[in-house]
Amino acid sequence: EAQVTQNPRYLITVTGKKLTVTCPQNMNHEYMSWYRQDPGLGLRQIYYSMNVEVTDKGDVPEGYKVSRKEKRNFPLILESPSPNQTSLYFCASRRTGIFSSGNTIYFGEGSWLTVV
Amino acid sequence: AQSVTQLGSHVSVSEGALVLLRCNYSSSVPPYLFWYVQYPNQGLQLLLKYTSAATLVKGINGFEAEFKKSETSFHLTKPSAHMSDAAEYFCAVSAARGGSYIPTFGRGTSLIVHP
Repeated sequence: EAQVTQNPRYLITVTGKKLTVTCPQNMNHEYMSWYRQDPGLGLRQIYYSMNVEVTDKGDVPEGYKVSRKEKRNFPLILESPSPNQTSLYFCASRRTGIFSSGNTIYFGEGSWLTVV
Repeated sequence: AQSVTQLGSHVSVSEGALVLLRCNYSSSVPPYLFWYVQYPNQGLQLLLKYTSAATLVKGINGFEAEFKKSETSFHLTKPSAHMSDAAEYFCAVSAARGGSYIPTFGRGTSLIVHP
């Protein structure tokens, strides 16, 4: 079954304590991305990656880091979380290549992060 | 820059009534357009997509959308709402950025279905 898996799904952490959210996918997709979803603001892209070792900033990258050392995983890193990073986070992936702009994006089930 | 505007953060309908969720886009090149649905406590899943073939696109669960270039619109419709359609709906455009097509999402429309 095609899957994008996020871990952890739920986390409460304290300000300043580093955390990592992993995102393995089993579809061999090149493109991966992280979004945060906040009420009234919809989905905002944090970072994306076109392939291994190729990452780029999205619309709201401040306070986040990413890593793409292997094709299947695209972890999101909060080096020093702050309360304004409390949000619902989604990882997504998509196949790239010719006509890839029409390809379906597959989403994980989301990770609820609360920073206190 | 590409963008998507969803008109109305909330749409409320009665069960059995027509569903109309509005989406307008801006794009300097022919776009690829998508509608995604997010059921409570779940991730987003594809409802339907337009990739320059037929302008009327049919999706899952009886939804369809029509691409109208002259109006830069891609509105989502369903003839008869069901309680199970209550969800958040996102319109998205696949936008060229640095030679790659990066999807951009609208802010979402919450569909409320009354008995």
